[in-house]
Amino acid sequence: DAGITQSPRHKVTETGTPVTLRCHQTENHRYMYWYRQDPGHGLRLIHYSYGVKDTDKGEVSDGYSVSRSKTEDFLLTLESATSSQTSVYFCAISDSPEVGEQFFGPGTRLTVL
Amino acid sequence: GQNIDQPTEMTATEGAIVQINCTYQTSGFNGLFWYQQHAGEAPTFLSYNVLDGLEEKGRFSSFLSRSKGYSYLLLKELQMKDSASYLCAVRDSNYQLIWGAGTKLIIKP
Repeated sequence: DAGITQSPRHKVTETGTPVTLRCHQTENHRYMYWYRQDPGHGLRLIHYSYGVKDTDKGEVSDGYSVSRSKTEDFLLTLESATSSQTSVYFCAISDSPEVGEQFFGPGTRLTVL
Repeated sequence: GQNIDQPTEMTATEGAIVQINCTYQTSGFNGLFWYQQHAGEAPTFLSYNVLDGLEEKGRFSSFLSRSKGYSYLLLKELQMKDSASYLCAVRDSNYQLIWGAGTKLIIKP
C-alpha cells in the first residue's frame, strides 16, 4: 500500500471555527489531491498540488485553501467551517496525472455543527 | 457538462456473476478507472482501460467502448468480501479524474 496518512481521522467542530486537515505521504509522489465525498455524489476535487508551493483549484474550491511547503505534506484549511462542509475528506497522490492511478489516504470524517 | 452514470445499488448472490455498468460524457477521454471502496475505507484501484476491449485481472474484468461512452466491471465467483461500492472514474482532457457516484453492491449468501 502507498504510504499515505491523514490526520485527524475524525473531527467535530462548530460553525465558524477554522479547521486544518493534514495529508502526509512517504512515496515522494509529485501530485497530491484533496477530495470530498458525500452521499449521492462522486468524489469531488477541492484542490490539488503539482509540486512544492504549486497548487490549483478543483471543482469545489470555495471555502477551502491549501498549502504545500514540503513534498510530503499537503494541508487543507477551512477558514471558517460551515455545516455544508460536513463530509469525508480524502487525500490522494499520484506520480503523474497522465499515467497511472491515484492512491488514497484513509480519509477524515469532519462534522461541522 | 461532464457526467458519469452508474446504478446506485445492485444485489447479487454469492458465487454468481455481476456486471456493473458505467456510462460517461466528459470533456475528453484519457482512460477509465474502476475503484473498490469498502464502507468506511479509502477507494482502492481495481482496473484501468484506455483502449477498447476487455481487461481481465483474476475474478475481475473491465470492458471499454469509447465510441459508446460505456464501460462495465464484471465480477465473477462473487464472495461476501466483494460487498462494497464500486466507483467509475474518467480521466478527462485536463488529466483530472471525474467520478461517478458509485454502485453499492450487496452480496447475499
